[in-house]
This record gives sequence, C-alpha cells and structure tokens, in this order.
Amino acid sequence: DGGITQSPKYLFRKEGQNVTLSCEQNLNHDAMYWYRQDPGQGLRLIYYSQIVNDFQKGDIAEGYSVSREKKESFPLTVTSAQKNPTAFYLCASSHGEGSGETQYFGPGTRLLVL
Amino acid sequence: QQQVKQSPQSLIVQKGGISIINCAYENTAFDYFPWYQQFPGKGPALLIAIRPDVSEKKEGRFTISFNKSAKQFSLHIMDSQPGDSATYFCAAKYSGNTPLVFGKGTRLSVIA
Repeated sequence: DGGITQSPKYLFRKEGQNVTLSCEQNLNHDAMYWYRQDPGQGLRLIYYSQIVNDFQKGDIAEGYSVSREKKESFPLTVTSAQKNPTAFYLCASSHGEGSGETQYFGPGTRLLVL
Repeated sequence: QQQVKQSPQSLIVQKGGISIINCAYENTAFDYFPWYQQFPGKGPALLIAIRPDVSEKKEGRFTISFNKSAKQFSLHIMDSQPGDSATYFCAAKYSGNTPLVFGKGTRLSVIA
C-alpha cells in the first residue's frame, strides 16, 4: 500500500528528554512537511523539506530539529528546548514543483509530557 | 499575522441541511485553495480544491465558491449527513513547491 506512516501513535516525553518522531513515505514524493496541531490553532508548520539533504524552518521551528538523509524519511526531533511539546504532530508529503499540489497526511503522533 | 482566516470556529447543522464554512485570505499571490477534512485522531485528507481562475467547483455534495475580488472562498456541504461531522480546514498555497497555509479549522457537527 502506498502512503505515509508515522510512528509511534503515542509518545511520552519526560522533562529534559529529546524524542524523535518517525515519518516514512513510499509515494516517491520529493517534498515532506511537519505540522503541529493544537486545539483551536489549526495546523502550524514546523519544518519542511523540498529535496533530500535540504530543509527550511516553518513558523514554529524553535525547539525542533529535522533531517532528510533519504527521500522517503523525514524524522522530527522534539528537543528539551521545546517547553510545551504536548500536541498532535502530523507529517505530510507532496510531489515536487509542477507535479501536483496535494499534500497527503500521515495518521499523526500524539506527544504527551509525563 | 494570520494569512488565512476561517469562520465559524464551530458549526451545528441539522441532517439534510446546508453547511457553510468561510475563509478569507490576504495575499493575492496564492493560487491554490484546498479544503481538508479531518476526523478525530486521524490525519487530514483532501476534500476538494480550486484555483482562482474559476468561481465554483462542485464534487458530489461538496462545492467551493471562490470570490477573487473579495479574496474569499467558502465550502458548501449540501444535504449534510452525520458522517460529515468532522473538522474542516481551508488552506492556501503559493505556486511552486511551497507549504500550505492553513486556517484554524471549523468543527462541524451534523445532528439528526
């Protein structure tokens, strides 16, 4: 099946701990995105990557880091610098420029602080 | 500054009624306007999308109306059903490989 997978579904973070959220796609998409969703806040862009080994900060990048070493993978690390990490995190992907606008979303990871 | 403003925040509609959600945008460089539907605990999924060269697009019970001069677009759900109960997000995008800019969402409840 083609699609986007995110793991784990639920993740618990302790104070001062870094945690990494996984995002994998087998759609052969060039672009990948990370969004954070809080109640009443919509979807806010954390980071995005248009091509392997390149990524850009979104609107709320502070306290987060990413890597894009492979086309199909775009992991997000929530660092200890992110003081309010509790949220629903969504990964998305899309074709490159000129190939389609639709962003496809994964099922999400809910991060909770212990 | 919020680039895409969505209203209302929540909406309750009787089964069989029409649900209307509105969005307004600031930047005239946007050239793609999708609507996403999200069920609880799931990722959003594309519902319908429009480009500014048309004023209306219909897919089944879902219609986008687009007013370029007013910089507004809206989603109409005809014959609303309880299964339509979800959160709906409007979005806008510049041309090229750029991210979507989302509205804050509308929680729709369709009651029997």
